[in-house]
Amino acid sequence: DGGITQSPKYLFRKEGQNVTLSCEQNLNHDAMYWYRQDPGQGLRLIYYSQIVNDFQKGDIAEGYSVSREKKESFPLTVTSAQKNPTAFYLCASSFDRNTEAFFGQGTRLTVV
Amino acid sequence: GEDVEQSLFLSVREGDSSVINCTYTDSSSTYLYWYKQEPGAGLQLLTYIFSNMDMKQDQRLTVLLNKKDKHLSLRIADTQTGDSAIYFCAESSSGGSYIPTFGRGTSLIVHP
Repeated sequence: DGGITQSPKYLFRKEGQNVTLSCEQNLNHDAMYWYRQDPGQGLRLIYYSQIVNDFQKGDIAEGYSVSREKKESFPLTVTSAQKNPTAFYLCASSFDRNTEAFFGQGTRLTVV
Repeated sequence: GEDVEQSLFLSVREGDSSVINCTYTDSSSTYLYWYKQEPGAGLQLLTYIFSNMDMKQDQRLTVLLNKKDKHLSLRIADTQTGDSAIYFCAESSSGGSYIPTFGRGTSLIVHP
């Protein structure tokens, strides 16, 4: 089945460690996005990519990094520079930048 | 920049209609979306409307758009307990590079 897959579903990180969240899609979508969700704050855009080998910072990019080496994959690295990384992370993709976005099931990251 | 506002909570009785409201500020909004999020899951696209439309109906869902007032609503007829979730309004526009911008979400609670 076509879709967008995030892994893992739950992730625990020690303070000071980098951690990478996976996002893969087989929908042949050009655009991919990472959002962070905190209780009562809705979704905030971290990074987005509209084409392979290109990506742009969103509203809260500090402490995060991404890569887009393949059309299907858009991994997000949460670095030790992110001061408050505990959150629910959502990846999305769309056929192009002017069509509806489809979401993965999310990764809940907890710093311990 | 773009801004999308929603009330945070709505409580209804099973069988009644629910109306979830949303306002947005970007007059160049092209697409407006409604997403549903169940606990611990990603966002599911429910419906969307183009800015040149006033209304869209899809089974129990009716979307109304008042472009002059920049007001969007989602009506759910015959609300069921399975409709309990968080509902997100989102918009995309040329001013925002067509990146979806989300409201904070409305928690719909359906009482038996």
